Amino acid sequence: GQQLNQSPQSMFIQEGEDVSMNCTSSSIFNTWLWYKQDPGEGPVLLIALYKAGELTSNGRLTAQFGITRKDSFLNISASIPSDVGIYFCAGREGGATNKLIFGTGTLLAVQP
Amino acid sequence: NAGVTQTPKFQVLKTGQSMTLQCAQDMNHNSMYWYRQDPGMGLRLIYYSASEGTTDKGEVPNGYNVSRLNKREFSLRLESAAPSQTSVYFCASNDQPQHFGDGTRLSIL
Repeated sequence: GQQLNQSPQSMFIQEGEDVSMNCTSSSIFNTWLWYKQDPGEGPVLLIALYKAGELTSNGRLTAQFGITRKDSFLNISASIPSDVGIYFCAGREGGATNKLIFGTGTLLAVQP
Repeated sequence: NAGVTQTPKFQVLKTGQSMTLQCAQDMNHNSMYWYRQDPGMGLRLIYYSASEGTTDKGEVPNGYNVSRLNKREFSLRLESAAPSQTSVYFCASNDQPQHFGDGTRLSIL
């Protein structure tokens, strides 16, 4: 089935560093979403992007919807230990179903 | 993850046993979804329901059935569990964007 290419697969960084991760697809999406998953919990939405070129921030998080509509990135500035988790991108196909295609995830570890 | 409730949270089954995973949402959403999450695979869509009374196959429907009992509830059934169905199962609902439950961790021996 269709999957998004998400990179990197994992990152091990020091507290205070900035982080960048991205997703690319062979298909065009009309929505990009970024989720974070903590251990033992379901994914929680961080940022939603609805227009090509859109740049949206949520605190220390910034995400952009690529101009080609086939990619998106997420940046985290000044990382802190509670940023640890798995980050997923998701692209939404058009139509009434709102079906999402998920990336394979980026595991982020932050060392204090 | 307020709004989407999954039961049970954990379950161990023997090969060949059947089981139903329950999901309920109180956000009045039309669409509901069942995913499975496996290491290195992200979340893969099993079945979805765009509205009450309708269900459709997702990416990995084999071995599963679903029922959209009413607008609130969407259940996932394994008729004859297989070890390959060991996974973490997530239910989601949305109008836009999707809200996830906390998952059901299912092991099949």
